[in-house]
Amino acid sequence: DIVMTQAPLSVSVTPGESASISCRSSKSLLHSNGITYVYWYLQKPGKSPQLLIYRMSNLASGVPDRFSGSGSETDFTLKISRVEAEDVGIYYCGQLLENPRTFGGGTKLELK
Amino acid sequence: QVQLKESGPGLVQPSQTLSLTCTVSGFSLMDYSVHWVRQPPGKGLEWMGRMKYDGDTYYNSALKSRLSISRDTSKSQVFLKMNSLQTEDTAIYYCTRDSSWGPGTMVTVSS
Repeated sequence: DIVMTQAPLSVSVTPGESASISCRSSKSLLHSNGITYVYWYLQKPGKSPQLLIYRMSNLASGVPDRFSGSGSETDFTLKISRVEAEDVGIYYCGQLLENPRTFGGGTKLELK
Repeated sequence: QVQLKESGPGLVQPSQTLSLTCTVSGFSLMDYSVHWVRQPPGKGLEWMGRMKYDGDTYYNSALKSRLSISRDTSKSQVFLKMNSLQTEDTAIYYCTRDSSWGPGTMVTVSS
C-alpha cells in the first residue's frame, strides 16, 4: 500500500498570514497519463471532509483561490495564503492513484 | 446537485453485523464509483472499499474477510455490510464520490 506522510502534525497561523502543509508518498503518484493523483481535503470541526485540491494542483469548485497545490511525483505541498478563521480544521492529503486509497495522518491548522 | 447520505443503526453489539446504506442523488451509480471511508473518534481516515460504476468491488485487505459492498442501482443505493464487529470498529462511516462526501453516520460498537 502507498504510505502518505504529512508534516507538520499541527500548525498555528496568524490570520492574514500564509501556511504550508507537506505530504510525501512512498511511491510516485504520477500516472502514465501525465496526471498526478494526489488530493487535498479539509475537515472542519464536526463536519465531513471537503475536497480542496484534486490531481495535485486543480482547485475544486467553490474553493477560494487562496488555496493552491503543487509538487513533484512524491512530494506535495498545500499552500494557504491569507489564512482566515474559516480555514481552521484538519487537512488531509490522499492518493487516488491505486487501491487501496490511502490518506496522510492529517495536519491540524489553528489560529494564533 | 451531487449528494450522498449514509444511514444505519447507530449502535451495534460486539460480534454482530453492521449494515449501512448510502443513498445518492444527482448522479448515476452506473457512471461513478462510490467509496466507503471510516474515521474512529479523534483519528484519521481509513479507506474501506469501493463499488465501481461497472459493479466491480475492491476491499481494503485489512477488512476484506469481514466486508461486503453491494448496490441497487434502481434505488441509487450502495450497501456496506461488515461482520464480527469489535469496539475498534466504532467510527463515523462516510460514503464518498471523491469530490463529494456524505455527512457520515456514527456507529458505536458496544454491549
